[in-house]
Amino acid sequence: SAVISQKPSRDICQRGTSLTIQCQVDSQVTMMFWYRQQPGQSLTLIATANQGSEATYESGFVIDKFPISRPNLTFSTLTVSNMSPEDSSIYLCSVEQGAKNIQYFGAGTRLSVL
Amino acid sequence: AQTVTQSQPEMSVQEAETVTLSCTYDTSESDYYLFWYKQPPSRQMILVIRQEAYKQQNATENRFSVNFQKAAKSFSLKISDSQLGDAAMYFCASPVRTGANSKLTFGKGITLSVRP
Repeated sequence: SAVISQKPSRDICQRGTSLTIQCQVDSQVTMMFWYRQQPGQSLTLIATANQGSEATYESGFVIDKFPISRPNLTFSTLTVSNMSPEDSSIYLCSVEQGAKNIQYFGAGTRLSVL
Repeated sequence: AQTVTQSQPEMSVQEAETVTLSCTYDTSESDYYLFWYKQPPSRQMILVIRQEAYKQQNATENRFSVNFQKAAKSFSLKISDSQLGDAAMYFCASPVRTGANSKLTFGKGITLSVRP
């Protein structure tokens, strides 16, 4: 399975600022995903990032708030823009590898917004 | 609606005993995998086991096995000889078709505690 490095592991940010989360994979993958998870809750898909195309956002998530880059087949970033306390959450990246829909996850970024 | 349902929010098991975590799903996909993920307090999501829907044989990975009932759209996880390290949140996941693509949808999760 792919090894996924996600940085930072945690951060505390001020309201109105932005944070960029990085996701690095040790092998080339076509599909990468970004999720949000409130503590003790399930995962909610933010967007799907395919190399060479615009990210596809889920209902309730917009590019202006969560811009995503996917410059190559091993790397992606998610930016949480103009943060508010409601953005405090765990953000996870994952990759699809092997058979269809099999996803492997990074360790997540715990974001707290003051 | 295409959904994944985990109706038990919490379960507890005695160390060395067996526990079964329930999951039902609804997907319009014809060829798909089902998954159980484990998320310990470290929050790393770990793939525990996967089941190919077209295979009648239940998947097994060491102490973890599934009871897959395709007609009933049921996909439960059995953990045998429970260990303290099994304490975690467990998520069941199923693909859901969205237009031309499919994405994984996760259940609400179940918190498993293991009593020493």
